[in-house]
Amino acid sequence: NAGVMQNPRHLVRRRGQEARLRCSPMKGHSHVYWYRQLPEEGLKFMVYLQKENIIDESGMPKERFSAEFPKEGPSILRIQQVVRGDSAAYFCASSSTGVYGYTFGSGTRLTVV
Amino acid sequence: DQQVKQNSPSLSVQEGRISILNCDYTNSMFDYFLWYKKYPAEGPTFLISISSIKDKNEDGRFTVFLNKSAKHLSLHIVPSQPGDSAVYFCAASGGSGGGADGLTFGKGTHLIIQP
Repeated sequence: NAGVMQNPRHLVRRRGQEARLRCSPMKGHSHVYWYRQLPEEGLKFMVYLQKENIIDESGMPKERFSAEFPKEGPSILRIQQVVRGDSAAYFCASSSTGVYGYTFGSGTRLTVV
Repeated sequence: DQQVKQNSPSLSVQEGRISILNCDYTNSMFDYFLWYKKYPAEGPTFLISISSIKDKNEDGRFTVFLNKSAKHLSLHIVPSQPGDSAVYFCAASGGSGGGADGLTFGKGTHLIIQP
């Protein structure tokens, strides 16, 4: 039973490009959460999704960021027109029961040059 | 506005001794607390949790204590082992800042176990 799979592990983008981060939850998990960790900071909640639904996006920046979790396939976090301040580690977690049973992926480290 | 605070960025403990990691919170709506361990280039791994209706939870070498009146919790690791060297994050749920079912994390404490 594979864990939460995130790809790519490392992503380098030039300013103004788009970044797409993918997350495949654990088998049987229907809850997906995205977190961002800036250097020297803790993880900050971004968005909580279930299949085809955004449940809570209160932590998402209002512009350039979007997330989806389609009926088929992985969850995608999309960042348009990236800026240097978007450089961070982005972690996805999945759960079958909500917050009490998180499993995190290994993260995607985004570097904007 | 840091609702979960880990005031010690790092902690050094000798192998075999007790490690005590501390965490303070400000939001009285938090009702569930968790500790995660994180190695470099990996995602956080769940360690232990505690509900606000309890004041202690134990799992092997790991014990979490909760003092609701002081809004303080601590993680005790005894005896400390070299493999415990990692960054430890305190997290809470039930308040704002973590989404409806998200977690609010502290900045972490880097635990170093010395031989």
